[in-house]
Amino acid sequence: QKEVEQNSGPLSVPEGAIASLNCTYSDRGSQSFFWYRQYSGKSPELIMSIYSNGDKEDGRFTAQLNKASQYVSLLIRDSQPSDSATYLCAVNRGGGADGLTFGKGTHLIIQP
Amino acid sequence: NAGVTQTPKFRILKIGQSMTLQCAQDMNHNYMYWYRQDPGMGLKLIYYSVGAGITDKGEVPNGYNVSRSTTEDFPLRLELAAPSQTSVYFCASSREGGALNEQFFGPGTRLTVL
Repeated sequence: QKEVEQNSGPLSVPEGAIASLNCTYSDRGSQSFFWYRQYSGKSPELIMSIYSNGDKEDGRFTAQLNKASQYVSLLIRDSQPSDSATYLCAVNRGGGADGLTFGKGTHLIIQP
Repeated sequence: NAGVTQTPKFRILKIGQSMTLQCAQDMNHNYMYWYRQDPGMGLKLIYYSVGAGITDKGEVPNGYNVSRSTTEDFPLRLELAAPSQTSVYFCASSREGGALNEQFFGPGTRLTVL
């Protein structure tokens, strides 16, 4: 059973600080990794994708991938109250099958 | 460009009833997916399709059926509703498959089976 693990939180971060969200995955063959943001009662929204080891930056967001450690992280700089949401880590299923395997999500609260 | 649309937004079913959840996309994406999300849980893949006429099972296909007669539409059928199917259902689509499948989600259908 391929798994994606996240700390469910809540993770509380002061406004303006850096929020750090972490994710581990079990399948060494996974090739692509995604971070989705989900507001309460809404659908997931893709915010970052990463395919290679290292860092990928997009505005205030940085995704980090370490395939040797099977670890993905998302950093949010200058956190804003509007960043308060659940962040879902997702990994491609691989093995010729399409679709994503999702973690349960980390609930992030940005304190004004 | 409406993206991915789903109908209905909400539905209450009685045990044993049937219904079809509709999903459509106007981005000309070949790949489409159905997920369910239970409270406090991640999304679970039900079925997916890599193009018109081609569908395959995901992690939790039991109790559901799908068809894909056009590129745009990917309906999900529940034949005999059970309380365990109470969930929020999301449809998604992507331009690419495999490792490059950045998926875009519809607004969801909240289903309650009583």
